[in-house]
Amino acid sequence: DIQMTQSPSTLSASVGDRVTITCRASQSISSWLAWYQQKPGKAPKVLIYKASSLESGVPSRFSGSGSGTEFTLTISSLQPDDFATYYCQQYKSYVWTFGQGTKVGIK
Amino acid sequence: QITLKESGPTLVKPTQTLTLTCTFSGFSLSTYGVGVGWIRQPPGKALEWLALIYWNDDKRYSPSLRSRLTITKDTSKNQVVLTMTNMDPVDTATYYCAHLGSYWAPFDSWGQGTLVTVSS
Repeated sequence: DIQMTQSPSTLSASVGDRVTITCRASQSISSWLAWYQQKPGKAPKVLIYKASSLESGVPSRFSGSGSGTEFTLTISSLQPDDFATYYCQQYKSYVWTFGQGTKVGIK
Repeated sequence: QITLKESGPTLVKPTQTLTLTCTFSGFSLSTYGVGVGWIRQPPGKALEWLALIYWNDDKRYSPSLRSRLTITKDTSKNQVVLTMTNMDPVDTATYYCAHLGSYWAPFDSWGQGTLVTVSS
């Protein structure tokens, strides 16, 4: 299986901050990576697919980059609605795997 | 508009078999490349993919749970069913079904999830 490792596991930030979350794959996944946002009690919502493509309706402050084994999710200016947990997920193989999540909290 | 909804028991006893149904609308599971997957999330923990069935009845399973899982579809009813045998308290989780729009795509629509508790 391809293992996905996110860092950090938690982070505290303020409204307006630039936030970066990293995701590493245990082997190359090309650009077959998605980022999801999950709020408490809710289902995950896809933000980014194919590493850097913004899902329709997602604010442009979210961006993704990377390929191969290293990927990042950046929130350019954190908004109150962005406090949530973020997951990366690879879909290169027929065994889909998620990272362990990064919880973004209020500083 | 794509919608999915999970249904099934909220409480199962250890060693029992869990059967969950995903009822969906807004897409057809006979369209090339389309799939429906199951993902679970124990309380306070990360997401874990379990199984997926494609439009052509191709089935994929998590290697660690393969022996316990069966996924089937009923295209005429717009339903996908997941069964998990020999349930254990560690299987307590919210179970989600999700839509896959094509090969090499993310899960772009999710159900609301259903919490299944395993306890005697």
